[in-house]
Amino acid sequence: QSVLTQPPSASGTPGQRVTISCSGSSSNIGRNYVFWYQQLPGTAPKLLIYRNTERPSGVPDRFSGSQSGTSASLAITGLRPGDEADYYCAVWDDSLRGVVFAGGTKLTVL
Amino acid sequence: EVQLVQSGAVVKKPGESLRISCQASGYSFSTYWIAWVRQMPGKGLEWMGIIYPGDSDTRYSPSFEGQVTISVDKSISTASLQWTSLKASDTANYYCVRDNNDYGYDFWGQGTLVTVSS
Repeated sequence: QSVLTQPPSASGTPGQRVTISCSGSSSNIGRNYVFWYQQLPGTAPKLLIYRNTERPSGVPDRFSGSQSGTSASLAITGLRPGDEADYYCAVWDDSLRGVVFAGGTKLTVL
Repeated sequence: EVQLVQSGAVVKKPGESLRISCQASGYSFSTYWIAWVRQMPGKGLEWMGIIYPGDSDTRYSPSFEGQVTISVDKSISTASLQWTSLKASDTANYYCVRDNNDYGYDFWGQGTLVTVSS
C-alpha cells in the first residue's frame, strides 16, 4: 500500500484529453518535486515529467504536469493509441526517507 | 550516450544466493546516484534503495533493509544488487536507474528478470 494514491485505471478515445491524479501528503508532494513515468507494455519505465511540470527533451508537449498542495496531476491531450501504458507518479518522502511510487494507472485508449 | 546495461535473466532455487549487475557508460559514473527498483509480476514499481558510487553511501527502503545488499565497483562502473538467500517472493523484474536529482530518474536499465522457483 503506497503513501501515494493514483486511480488504477483511466481511459479515453483518440484525440481526447485525459488526466491522471496523484494524491499524497505534506511529507511528500507537499514539499518535494513530483515526477511522472510512462511504462509501455514490456519495456522499462521512461521519465515523462520532472520537477512537477518540466518535460525532458523528446517528450511531446501533449504531456503536462501540475502540482497543488498535496496533489499532482498528469494531463495528456490529443490522446493516441501509442499512449496506452502504465503511468506512475513518484516523489521523495521526508518521513520514509526514500522515493515512493504510486500504484500506477493503466491508461487504455478506446 | 548514457547507457545502463543489466545482466541477463536468471532462474534460481529458494535459498540460493544471487548478484545481478548494472554497468553504466557514457557519463561520470561516480557523480550520480544509482537506484534499484523492483516490479513484481503484474504489479507496480517499488523503490528498493540507492547508492552513490563516489563514496558508496547507501540508503535502503525500510521494506528492503536487511533483505538485499546494494554495492558498487567504481573501477568497472558497475552497481550490483545481491541476495544471500532467495525466496519465491523475490521473483520480479529489477531495474537500475540513474538518479539525476531534481531532473528525475532519467536513464533506466533494461531490467533483469529474476525467477525463484523450486
